[in-house]
Amino acid sequence: EVQLVESGGGLVQPGGSLRLSCTASGFTFTNYWMLWVRQAPGKGLMWVSRIDGAGRTTSYADSVKGRFTISRDNAKKTVYLEMNGLRAEDTAKYYCARDRGIEVAGPFDPWGQGALVTVSS
Amino acid sequence: DIQMTQSPSTLSASVGDRVTITCRASQNIGRWLAWYQQKPGKAPDLLIYDASSLESGVPSRFSGSGSGTDFTLSISSLQPDDFATYYCLQFNSYSPTFGQGTKLQIK
Repeated sequence: EVQLVESGGGLVQPGGSLRLSCTASGFTFTNYWMLWVRQAPGKGLMWVSRIDGAGRTTSYADSVKGRFTISRDNAKKTVYLEMNGLRAEDTAKYYCARDRGIEVAGPFDPWGQGALVTVSS
Repeated sequence: DIQMTQSPSTLSASVGDRVTITCRASQNIGRWLAWYQQKPGKAPDLLIYDASSLESGVPSRFSGSGSGTDFTLSISSLQPDDFATYYCLQFNSYSPTFGQGTKLQIK
């Protein structure tokens, strides 16, 4: 079964840092781009970041560029999102997802269950 | 960035109705579009990819159409389990974007 499991969410003060992890199983991890999507409470979905299968190419939404870093450890089949300089507006559930495409872009599937990040003093 | 304008934001309908949700892209995205269903507290589920391909296991009452800038998701005969929020996603660019969502509620 193809599965993604996130961990690392929690409560953090404004300006603080947090690292999310997403561990994959059931597929050849290195073949796929991985990404993070977030959803603020009661709001819609927003793509945050993505990383290629080798871990060499990354991209970010403008709202997190320079503060968030995506990385991956292919030996552990895990992708990370390091979040620094957190702001109240970063409060959201963060989902890990797989870009299902291999040679070309694909839809995001599957998704993890999500990790809740709350930025508050 | 490519903007996705989804409408309506809320849709009230009854079991058995046929409904349509639309997404318009700010530039040509070919057929690089997917539709998702999300229920409260859960991750989104993929319904349609490549604009019109039905994901395995998804009931055939769901269908997608369109290309270029205009896309639609149709549900032919609403079932109680279909009342949820629906999102479109364009994955044509390095900065994927979602529509704002359509909450489908019982009339």
